[in-house]
Amino acid sequence: ETGVTQTPRHLVMGMTNKKSLKCEQHLGHNAMYWYKQSAKKPLELMFVYNFKEQTENNSVPSRFSPECPNSSHLFLHLHTLQPEDSALYLCASSQEYRMNTEAFFGQGTRLTVV
Amino acid sequence: DAKTTQPPSMDCAEGRAANLPCNHSTISGNEYVYWYRQIHSQGPQYIIHGLKNNETNEMASLIITEDRKSSTLILPHATLRDTAVYYCIASTSGAQKLVFGQGTRLTINP
Repeated sequence: ETGVTQTPRHLVMGMTNKKSLKCEQHLGHNAMYWYKQSAKKPLELMFVYNFKEQTENNSVPSRFSPECPNSSHLFLHLHTLQPEDSALYLCASSQEYRMNTEAFFGQGTRLTVV
Repeated sequence: DAKTTQPPSMDCAEGRAANLPCNHSTISGNEYVYWYRQIHSQGPQYIIHGLKNNETNEMASLIITEDRKSSTLILPHATLRDTAVYYCIASTSGAQKLVFGQGTRLTINP
């Protein structure tokens, strides 16, 4: 238990569906992150939020839309995804952006796009 | 951030010390060395990090060479639950600049 909770753990969605992934942390952290891990590939940073403001978007397609209503919650809204978007989506948090502190990861959401 | 090089896989007997090497020959003076591990289908787990001094916590020890071009993560008494992919990362900025490479797949054998 890392203190970062992701829901759902597994999600199957069609290419025309709209769904959202949720991440919650109660560690008092101010920075939150979305990572993507495709099969047999390294983790890829997608988005960074610091104090609810998006500070980084690593050229992620617009079919992925993040939302950070407060420092404890982070969402990833999904629409019109492609089968190649199937992956493990990981949320992480850290005390603050641009500090030498460790990141705490959730267990991830295993997404399958059919 | 500096690139790191790790062996793709290693084996270790249960109960023995597991020593995982990492090369970071282009590391700059303000880059920390971080270690994370990922057990199958779970999120990565932070292990330890350091700048130039050796570090120890309840999970592991980190030995950094004097020239900082390489480091070794030591799991002193490996258990089967330590089987995972271990990632060595050099970063100036901590959590938000974690560039995960392929890591070392460590298998602990009974």
